[in-house]
Amino acid sequence: DADVTQTPRNRITKTGKRIMLECSQTKGHDRMYWYRQDPGLGLQLIYYSFDVKDINKGEISDGYSVSRQAQAKFSLSLESAIPNQTALYFCATSGRDRDTDTQYFGPGTRLTVL
Amino acid sequence: DAKTTQPPSMDCAEGRAANLPCNHSTISGNEYVYWYRQIHSQGPQYIIHGLKNNETNEMASLIITEDRKSSTLILPHATLRDTAVYYCIVRVPRSGNTGKLIFGQGTTLQVKP
Repeated sequence: DADVTQTPRNRITKTGKRIMLECSQTKGHDRMYWYRQDPGLGLQLIYYSFDVKDINKGEISDGYSVSRQAQAKFSLSLESAIPNQTALYFCATSGRDRDTDTQYFGPGTRLTVL
Repeated sequence: DAKTTQPPSMDCAEGRAANLPCNHSTISGNEYVYWYRQIHSQGPQYIIHGLKNNETNEMASLIITEDRKSSTLILPHATLRDTAVYYCIVRVPRSGNTGKLIFGQGTTLQVKP
């Protein structure tokens, strides 16, 4: 969905490097999420934010941190990347839709940690 | 969130309707049925959702049985670009601590020329 953008789309880095993945949305949504997907597996929730002042850990937050700089921006950082963080990373948003919270996903970032 | 069951894979001829079933026999009264799809390594794409009435949008139609225990996603004229994994998810909107979507195994739809 073009309303949710992620940068970079691909990144190769080395073990121990600090990496930031960025997500922006123009949908005016209040909720934002970071998911991780390993090959052949489902999505795991890393962090989620229900508004600018609300940040919550998901099921696999260890080794990650986030920043909600504005309603439209939600960044994910890997403070010291390790090889098992090699994965696809997706940002998603949801908003105050009429009685639903449909999530809209970005195109993803493919991260490789060598 | 109620559990869903989908066939692991289906084939469909290009130009024909693709009918993807989903069983959700334990669905509760306030749970919606959502459909997403994921084309290889792309972000999951929202398709459609419904509570009890049939729904249609520009992408697909959703048929929910009267007892709400099953539903069918219909892609009226499948194209090769519809080849993807399709996920049926049942949940109460904005409920739970995280709002996390739980994607099961889904159905891999292969559209063939």
